[in-house]
Amino acid sequence: NAGVTQTPKFQVLKTGQSMTLQCAQDMNHEYMSWYRQDPGMGLRLIHYSVGAGITDQGEVPNGYNVSRSTTEDFPLRLLSAAPSQTSVYFCASSYSLGQLTPNTEAFFGQGTRLTVV
Amino acid sequence: GENVEQHPSTLSVQEGDSAVIKCTYSDSASNYFPWYKQELGKRPQLIIDIRSNVGEKKDQRIAVTLNKTAKHFSLHITETQPEDSAVYFCAARRSTSYGKLTFGQGTILTVHP
Repeated sequence: NAGVTQTPKFQVLKTGQSMTLQCAQDMNHEYMSWYRQDPGMGLRLIHYSVGAGITDQGEVPNGYNVSRSTTEDFPLRLLSAAPSQTSVYFCASSYSLGQLTPNTEAFFGQGTRLTVV
Repeated sequence: GENVEQHPSTLSVQEGDSAVIKCTYSDSASNYFPWYKQELGKRPQLIIDIRSNVGEKKDQRIAVTLNKTAKHFSLHITETQPEDSAVYFCAARRSTSYGKLTFGQGTILTVHP
């Protein structure tokens, strides 16, 4: 049972380069999200998805794109990397027990540590 | 949107003491409040959560209390142990805000043997 898998674990980019952070879950969860974690700021939501083909912006979406073509995968694309995007990125997935029950636990991947120089 | 404030930012206790971490939130429609523990270099993991129809929830040495009128909730850890040392995050979410957790800034808890 892999849960939520992120690749790569570490990445160094040069300013202006683009790349894609991969996230895959094998729990058939409807909801997937991307967060960035910076010291003293907790985790901030970048983008999220409520199902295949549906995505929306979170708190800090600028400079990032997402797509959700399948239930399992939710890649995060950095269009033109900037030093301000140096951070630890976490992907998370969760599911719903139905309309009358609030969403349940978010399961996190192991994170991707990104450095932009 | 939702805003979650968490205090203190650091907390140092002796083994066996209790630790309390407090969070306030701004969106009165939020009704799900999880707490996550993150050990150094690891992913956040859920330790306890509470929903707005409940005022208190306990799980062994961990408890969470919720005051919806005042819009604050707290994490209580009793009989702390060195392995409780970690960063703790509170979060809040509306039931209709699928996949959208708003996190507090985190508390670094250190338990000294």
